[in-house]
Amino acid sequence: ETGVTQTPRHLVMGMTNKKSLKCEQHLGHNAMYWYKQSAKKPLELMFVYSLEERVENNSVPSRFSPECPNSSHLFLHLHTLQPEDSALYLCASSQDGVGTGVWGQFFGPGTRLTVL
Amino acid sequence: AQKITQTQPGMFVQEKEAVTLDCTYDTSDPSYGLFWYKQPSSGEMIFLIYQGSYDQQNATEGRYSLNFQKARKSANLVISASQLGDSAMYFCAMREGYSSYKLIFGSGTRLLVRP
Repeated sequence: ETGVTQTPRHLVMGMTNKKSLKCEQHLGHNAMYWYKQSAKKPLELMFVYSLEERVENNSVPSRFSPECPNSSHLFLHLHTLQPEDSALYLCASSQDGVGTGVWGQFFGPGTRLTVL
Repeated sequence: AQKITQTQPGMFVQEKEAVTLDCTYDTSDPSYGLFWYKQPSSGEMIFLIYQGSYDQQNATEGRYSLNFQKARKSANLVISASQLGDSAMYFCAMREGYSSYKLIFGSGTRLLVRP
């Protein structure tokens, strides 16, 4: 596997279900991100982890719970979601720090989530 | 105020022709980076090209080049010799300062390449 992978690619869940999204990066990066992409809206940053510590949490409802057990893996645990949470959830990683050149973020293919 | 503005919601281009996708940005930080990403219908955001605020020359990557006009705060993406596979959403993004944490995205431009 190379780059950033995400599973599952598609998920349909009811409002009372509990599910988890998984992201894995094979780039040796030290920062990982969750984004939400809704129709006709700019990409929204949800969470940032750097060296496995959460450094950013952009007012995301508590029904979304991130977990970063190590620098290569990132999870997004979902519970009691609402229909408006239906979106494409993208994971990204980067090598953060001064002097690292192109500090770009590299994205996974996303999980398309539908909440019924 | 929007930090990244992409004024073209949709664009058409004929196959093999060049196309320019517009992006303007707003920042008071002297150190910033500008990125372009491509998002095909599959959903993945594919990194295309990067321009640093201190870079003297415009960035180029194969058929992609970035027309960086610092005084005008614009960072337009030029795609030369368009191919059918270039049909996708294109997002301009900006990183302020040296941390890659906050990548601010524009609303995107949908490019359709006609055969």
